[in-house]
Amino acid sequence: DVVLTQTPPTLSATIGQSVSISCRSSQSLLHSNGNTYLHWLLQRPGQSPQLLIYSVSRLESGVPNRFSGSGSGTDFTLKISGVEAEDLGVYYCVQGTHARTFGGGTKLELK
Amino acid sequence: EVQLVESGGGLVKPGSSLKLSCVASGFTFSSYGMHWIRQAPKKGLEWIALIYYDSSNKYYADSVKGRFTISRDNSKNTLYLEMNSLRSEDTAMYYCAKATMGYWGQGVMVTVSS
Repeated sequence: DVVLTQTPPTLSATIGQSVSISCRSSQSLLHSNGNTYLHWLLQRPGQSPQLLIYSVSRLESGVPNRFSGSGSGTDFTLKISGVEAEDLGVYYCVQGTHARTFGGGTKLELK
Repeated sequence: EVQLVESGGGLVKPGSSLKLSCVASGFTFSSYGMHWIRQAPKKGLEWIALIYYDSSNKYYADSVKGRFTISRDNSKNTLYLEMNSLRSEDTAMYYCAKATMGYWGQGVMVTVSS
């Protein structure tokens, strides 16, 4: 089974600071069809998760472009260029190449 | 507007059964795969089941395989999760989600306790 390891588990940031979250997979997420199904979600306190980035780097409609995703194979990164207060919550990576697996989450809080 | 509305949760005893429903609207339900995902209290997200748009394929997490069954009725725009032999560790908020998880329901709570 694929295991996704997110680091760091907790991230403290000030408003305006740029931060990155890593998601490392135990297996390559490159599908035989050439696509890589690694997505990023944000769950704000008390809310259902929302999709931010799909297929590594594609920004979901309506999501601010301060969010960006990169990576390939087994190593992926979510970057927030200038944290805003509404960005606080728990970030999850999820893979869809081999069934589905979520990472353990990264909690973004204010410093 | 896409909407997913779960129902059917509640408090049940270990070993019992429960069936969750997720009614979809605002998109062509019969064209998309659907997921069930759960979140135990103060824990992370756990994917538990996927069904293809036409029910041709179903996939389960090892933690629920053989106990839970995912199904759908495209004529009713409804996704189901039948849960048998429930355990205390199945206590969680259960969410349905569309395809690439771009849309989620508000969740329904299932509590398994004696």
